[in-house]
Amino acid sequence: NAGVTQTPKFRILKIGQSMTLQCTQDMNHNYMYWYRQDPGMGLKLIYYSVGAGITDKGEVPNGYNVSRSTTEDFPLRLELAAPSQTSVYFCATGGDQETQYFGPGTRLLVL
Amino acid sequence: QKEVEQDPGPLSVPEGAIVSLNCTYSNSAFQYFMWYRQYSRKGPELLMYTYSSGNKEDGRFTAQVDKSSKYISLFIRDSQPSDSATYLCAMSDTGANSKLTFGKGITLSVRP
Repeated sequence: NAGVTQTPKFRILKIGQSMTLQCTQDMNHNYMYWYRQDPGMGLKLIYYSVGAGITDKGEVPNGYNVSRSTTEDFPLRLELAAPSQTSVYFCATGGDQETQYFGPGTRLLVL
Repeated sequence: QKEVEQDPGPLSVPEGAIVSLNCTYSNSAFQYFMWYRQYSRKGPELLMYTYSSGNKEDGRFTAQVDKSSKYISLFIRDSQPSDSATYLCAMSDTGANSKLTFGKGITLSVRP
């Protein structure tokens, strides 16, 4: 039982490049979330999903896209990477809306 | 006023000390209150979960919620170096699309 897995662990992107951050869970949770964490700024919600086929914007969705075709996977797509997207990205899942279980994170550096 | 405010820290205490971590909030609709612990370069992990007002104890950890004052606390007794981490408070309401609102986190260092 791996819980929540995220790949890659670390990535360097050039400005304007695109990439997909992968998130997979084996907990059979309906709720899945993407957050970014910047130093001293806490966690900001980017996008979330309440089940397969359903996604919605969070607090900071600009520059990102998501899809949820299966219960297990919730990839986050960055188009046209910008230095402002340098951050640590966390995927989380939950069986309910209150308790969330986080993955190990992806560190992204945009140069 | 931000929805959730957390003391910025950092906080450094000697081993064995009692630690008090606090958050205040402005949204009276919040009903669920959580504390997450995050070790360096790791994802946050759920530490304590409380519904509405009151206290909840788990080993050396006690979570306290005072909804009348919009104030929550996490107490750590007999603090250990292994407690050194960033602690984030989080809370949510009971709406159909409720989401967690996090504090910015406080970094705790317990000196041996």
